[in-house]
Amino acid sequence: DIQMTQSPSSLSASVGDRVTITCRASHNIGTSLNWYRQKPGKAPDLLIHDTSSLQGGAASRFSGSGSGTNFTLTISNLQSEDFATYYCQQSYTTLPWTFGQGTTVEIK
Amino acid sequence: QVQLMQSGAEVKKPGSSVKVSCKSSGGDFRFYAFNWVRQAPGQGLEWVAGIIPRFGTTNYAAKFRDRLTMTADESTNSVYMDLNSLKSEDTAVYFCAKADIATPGTFDYWGQGTVVTVSS
Repeated sequence: DIQMTQSPSSLSASVGDRVTITCRASHNIGTSLNWYRQKPGKAPDLLIHDTSSLQGGAASRFSGSGSGTNFTLTISNLQSEDFATYYCQQSYTTLPWTFGQGTTVEIK
Repeated sequence: QVQLMQSGAEVKKPGSSVKVSCKSSGGDFRFYAFNWVRQAPGQGLEWVAGIIPRFGTTNYAAKFRDRLTMTADESTNSVYMDLNSLKSEDTAVYFCAKADIATPGTFDYWGQGTVVTVSS
């Protein structure tokens, strides 16, 4: 299985801050990397697919980059609704689909 | 706009079975893949199984392969997860997640989640 490792596990930030979350894959996954945001008690929402493509309806303050084994999610101008948990997930051809352990963004 | 509506919460005894349903509306069911993703209390997301109804293909995470069956009913645009020999560790929220056939590992719509509690 392809292992996905996120860092940090949690971070504290303020509204208006720029936040970066990293995700590392145990094998080369090209650009088959997705990012989800999960608000408490809710289902996840797809934010970014294929490393850097913004999902329809997602805010433009979300951006993604990377390739191979190293990826980042950047949130510019953090908003109140962004205090949530973020997951990376590999969608490479090899099953099973696997997620990172999550990064919780908390209010400073 | 696709909507996924899941069945209600379940409380089960260890060793019993549970069947969770997910009904899709909007869009064209024939071009979709569906997955189950679970989340234990306070934990992260874990892919459980997936199905492409149009091709009749199913895939399971190795740890569930011997006790989970995922099916689809194209006449009702619904998918089902049948998990047997339940253990306390199966207590979780089970999410139905849709993908397009061309990108089966990208989950663009999610159901609201079904809480399954396994307790004696």
